[in-house]
Amino acid sequence: NAGVTQTPKFRILKIGQSMTLQCAQDMNHNYMYWYRQDPGMGLKLIYYSVGAGITDKGEVPNGYNVSRSTTEDFPLRLELAAPSQTSVYFCASTPQGADTQYFGPGTRLTVL
Amino acid sequence: GDSVTQMEGPVTLSEEAFLTINCTYTATGYPSLFWYVQYPGEGLQLLLKATKADDKGSNKGFEATYRKETTSFHLEKGSVQVSDSAVYFCALVNTGFQKLVFGTGTRLLVSP
Repeated sequence: NAGVTQTPKFRILKIGQSMTLQCAQDMNHNYMYWYRQDPGMGLKLIYYSVGAGITDKGEVPNGYNVSRSTTEDFPLRLELAAPSQTSVYFCASTPQGADTQYFGPGTRLTVL
Repeated sequence: GDSVTQMEGPVTLSEEAFLTINCTYTATGYPSLFWYVQYPGEGLQLLLKATKADDKGSNKGFEATYRKETTSFHLEKGSVQVSDSAVYFCALVNTGFQKLVFGTGTRLLVSP
């Protein structure tokens, strides 16, 4: 099993550009999450999903959008990139009823 | 809201030294508590967990005990190795959908 995969690994954007961070899991997990990790700040929850077609905001959702059309995929969309969105983004998943989250390797995004 | 506080790093130790990383939490009710570890260039992975008061989680020589009276979940290891160098995150889950609340992380550097 590949587990949780994320693409791209690195990306540099200009202010105002848009992009989609991809996340996929092959473990048939219902719950999926997007976090951002800023230096010295730990991880903050951006959005989460409890199943296909169901998403909800986390702690820091402004400037982001998500969709969940399938169980496997949970893309994160940045519409108008800003320097404040420079961060490392992690996707995670867990089965419903379980408490251990499985993380992808992360995407390092720089907005200049 | 819920929160997790960790000791600031970096923690610098020599190989075979004793490790303690302090973690305290603020939460209503009875959260589940976790330690996640992030090795350089990788995503987070679960190190250990405890789901109720007085439980001890353990893995790879690391231990942590859920102390409700002091709202703490300190991470300990009797003899660290160079390969333990990583960032350690304390976290809790206290609400539905297994949403994690993270501390800021503590970097551990172990020298030979």
